[in-house]
Amino acid sequence: QKEVEQNSGPLSVPEGAIASLNCTYSDRGSQSFFWYRQYSGKSPELIMFIYSNGDKEDGRFTAQLNKASQYVSLLIRDSQPSDSATYLCAVNTGRRALTFGSGTRLQVQP
Amino acid sequence: ETGVTQSPTHLIKTRGQQVTLRCSSQSGHNTVSWYQQALGQGPQFIFQYYREEENGRGNFPPRFSGLQFPNYSSELNVNALELDDSALYLCASSLPTSAPYNEQFFGPGTRLTVL
Repeated sequence: QKEVEQNSGPLSVPEGAIASLNCTYSDRGSQSFFWYRQYSGKSPELIMFIYSNGDKEDGRFTAQLNKASQYVSLLIRDSQPSDSATYLCAVNTGRRALTFGSGTRLQVQP
Repeated sequence: ETGVTQSPTHLIKTRGQQVTLRCSSQSGHNTVSWYQQALGQGPQFIFQYYREEENGRGNFPPRFSGLQFPNYSSELNVNALELDDSALYLCASSLPTSAPYNEQFFGPGTRLTVL
């Protein structure tokens, strides 16, 4: 079982819709959770992090964390074609490293 | 504020050669982590440096080694290159923190191709 699992996609949504990206993790000791966006050929860009159960909102983005279910998600409201990218979920288990999933490719159709 | 920079941007080497990649951390950040990202995969942790000492290591062989300098810049050295070392190498800098989160900010990466 992979430590951090994501559906590889592609997830296709129409412009203006809500995109929902999901991630599960195996280590119950995981402390903090990050969402990165990566455009093709570029490096990952931090969107937001969350470490408490519940929702955290930042502009069009909402991160949701459920530690009991070992599940973290990212919602993108009013999706734009410029949101088309690969979204990486990363987990910090208290060690120094971030453990990444393989990413979900999001396509926003104009 | 200066972001994370890496050099070179692209590099082509042949199997068995050695390579050195360089990273300058974001202003004020004294912790540098290196990751390897193969095509279609998420980044994999190689190691981290804090105050010029290795501060954690992933599942990579000893031919992957590193350094951190007093100005917090860092090098990643890979000896005896193998074809599977072809990847995007990412450097990320962060502040050391006891908080339950540790934001890491990535540089643009170095694309290494081993022929």
